[in-house]
Amino acid sequence: KNQVEQSPQSLIILEGKNCTLQCNYTVSPFSNLRWYKQDTGRGPVSLTIMTFSENTKSNGRYTATLDADTKQSSLHITASQLSDSASYICVVSAGDSGTYKYIFGTGTRLKVLA
Amino acid sequence: DAGVTQSPTHLIKTRGQQVTLRCSPKSGHDTVSWYQQALGQGPQFIFQYYEEEERQRGNFPDRFSGHQFPNYSSELNVNALLLGDSALYLCASTQRAGAKNTEAFFGQGTRLTVV
Repeated sequence: KNQVEQSPQSLIILEGKNCTLQCNYTVSPFSNLRWYKQDTGRGPVSLTIMTFSENTKSNGRYTATLDADTKQSSLHITASQLSDSASYICVVSAGDSGTYKYIFGTGTRLKVLA
Repeated sequence: DAGVTQSPTHLIKTRGQQVTLRCSPKSGHDTVSWYQQALGQGPQFIFQYYEEEERQRGNFPDRFSGHQFPNYSSELNVNALLLGDSALYLCASTQRAGAKNTEAFFGQGTRLTVV
């Protein structure tokens, strides 16, 4: 069964601190993995995409890693800001030959305090 | 370039009623997927439409149905509403014929409350 699990469920940090969010997946056939940021009541917005051959990718203060062997990904946020408060959802795309399905994790709710 | 637009943004319905939600995909996209997101949960896949046909379906009852129009816009219909249908309904558009790593763009969602 295709599954995406994220940890922790929620996290509270002080502004300026770093944090790391985890994503473990069992998806086949694996196509790519994306991290999305979802503000409360809004649609998810893509932060970064990781393909099978990529280990690390950065987008500003966000750095994603992917270990395809252990089927784990992490999202590291550096020097957090109040605006980083949101849910972060790991989404794995499964499929090939033009038919893809997105499997969503339940997300990590991050709260950044001043 | 308009992104994915959904309407209405909020909706309150009574148990047993029927509801229709609408989605216009991003320009250039031809595939629309619908998701249900309960409070505090990740989005759950309902179904996907391409070329006006349902191509994939998640684990949702037949009360959930959809339609895609020639202009690629889509509707999600839910019959015999239950309290448990209260959720944020998200629409995502992709380009089916695009590259393997095509990005899904999401709308802002429709917040449905069933009372």
